[in-house]
Amino acid sequence: DAGVTQSPTHLIKTRGQQVTLRCSPKSGHDTVSWYQQALGQGPQFIFQYYEEEERQRGNFPDRFSGHQFPNYSSELNVNALLLGDSALYLCASSFTVLSTGELFFGEGSRLTVL
Amino acid sequence: DQQVKQNSPSLSVQEGRISILNCDYTNSMFDYFLWYKKYPAEGPTFLISISSIKDKNEDGRFTVFLNKSAKHLSLHIVPSQPGDSAVYFCAARTEYGNKLVFGAGTILRVKS
Repeated sequence: DAGVTQSPTHLIKTRGQQVTLRCSPKSGHDTVSWYQQALGQGPQFIFQYYEEEERQRGNFPDRFSGHQFPNYSSELNVNALLLGDSALYLCASSFTVLSTGELFFGEGSRLTVL
Repeated sequence: DQQVKQNSPSLSVQEGRISILNCDYTNSMFDYFLWYKKYPAEGPTFLISISSIKDKNEDGRFTVFLNKSAKHLSLHIVPSQPGDSAVYFCAARTEYGNKLVFGAGTILRVKS
């Protein structure tokens, strides 16, 4: 049973560029959430997708956008990259009918902006 | 606005002894609390959770205690093992959706 998979694992971009990160949820899960973890901090909620729609959004600018596909996989797009966007981006999946709040995380995509 | 705080950046414990990790929160609307463990180069993995209607939940060596009046929860690991060395995140959820609010984490080192 494959868990949450993310790609790429590492990438380097320069300021002003755009980046796309990808996530496949755990088998049987239909909800995908994205988190940003800066160095020395806990993960911060970016947004959540369910039924191909953004359902909740954290305190992130519109430069951060996403998409969910019919197979439940998801993409996170960040435009006009800033140095402060350097972080570990974590994808988490869950099955919406579960109310425990337990999320299953991928290993993350480490983004470095130069 | 840090709604979930872990005030101890690190904790060092001898193998076999008890590890106590603490977490404070400010939002009284949180209805579920979770602890996640993270090893380097891996994503966080779920460890244990507790509903706001309970004050204790136990799973093997791990016990979480919730004090709602003090808005405080703690994770007890007994006995601590070297493999428990990791970063531990406290997280909380409101009843609306599965958005989690995380603390900054505590690095636990268990010395053998």
